[in-house]
Amino acid sequence: EPEVTQTPSHQVTQMGQEVILRCVPISNHLYFYWYRQILGQKVEFLVSFYNNEISEKSEIFDDQFSVERPDGSNFTLKIRSTKLEDSAMYFCASLPDRGDTQYFGPGTRLTVL
Amino acid sequence: SQQGEEDPQALSIQEGENATMNCSYKTSINNLQWYRQNSGRGLVHLILIRSNEREKHSGRLRVTLDTSKKSSSLLITASRAADTASYFCATRIMDDKIIFGKGTRLHILP
Repeated sequence: EPEVTQTPSHQVTQMGQEVILRCVPISNHLYFYWYRQILGQKVEFLVSFYNNEISEKSEIFDDQFSVERPDGSNFTLKIRSTKLEDSAMYFCASLPDRGDTQYFGPGTRLTVL
Repeated sequence: SQQGEEDPQALSIQEGENATMNCSYKTSINNLQWYRQNSGRGLVHLILIRSNEREKHSGRLRVTLDTSKKSSSLLITASRAADTASYFCATRIMDDKIIFGKGTRLHILP
């Protein structure tokens, strides 16, 4: 069964460094999402992406964040200058059509020191 | 309360009993989904119910949706130890956002 994959599974970085989290959505899917989950808290929506542009973003998704689909298969989340509070699990999700089930990747655990 | 808020926050039951979790939301939705998350792991999709549906079944899972009360329930019948996890409802509202609740931590006692 096709699945969403994410790399790396765990990323450790120093505060102020840039990180890029990578996702490979399911190949025929059209809608892509990033979420984060701070340890012990709920899953928070960050951004949705459709037709090569951001369709929605939350207040968390400020100028430090950006997303890209550089080559038609990868979907990346970049954090330009990481803060301690960016430490969280980051989940990518994709779906074929708007009303359908989201398929989540296994997540990337980001630790900012 | 927030969009997509589950109750109870935590639930402990004996193996074999049924577990019921509830989710309430505030705005109109397109669909509502339930997910399971084992500790420190990813999100596993359980079931999706659309706004024009009232009940849906999948194996031991039964989901109801009451749009007039803006609430949904997830029933797990004949619980097993492997059902121990956190359960989240997620609502798709009319734009492209999907909002998760804080989750119910379910613990199945042997």
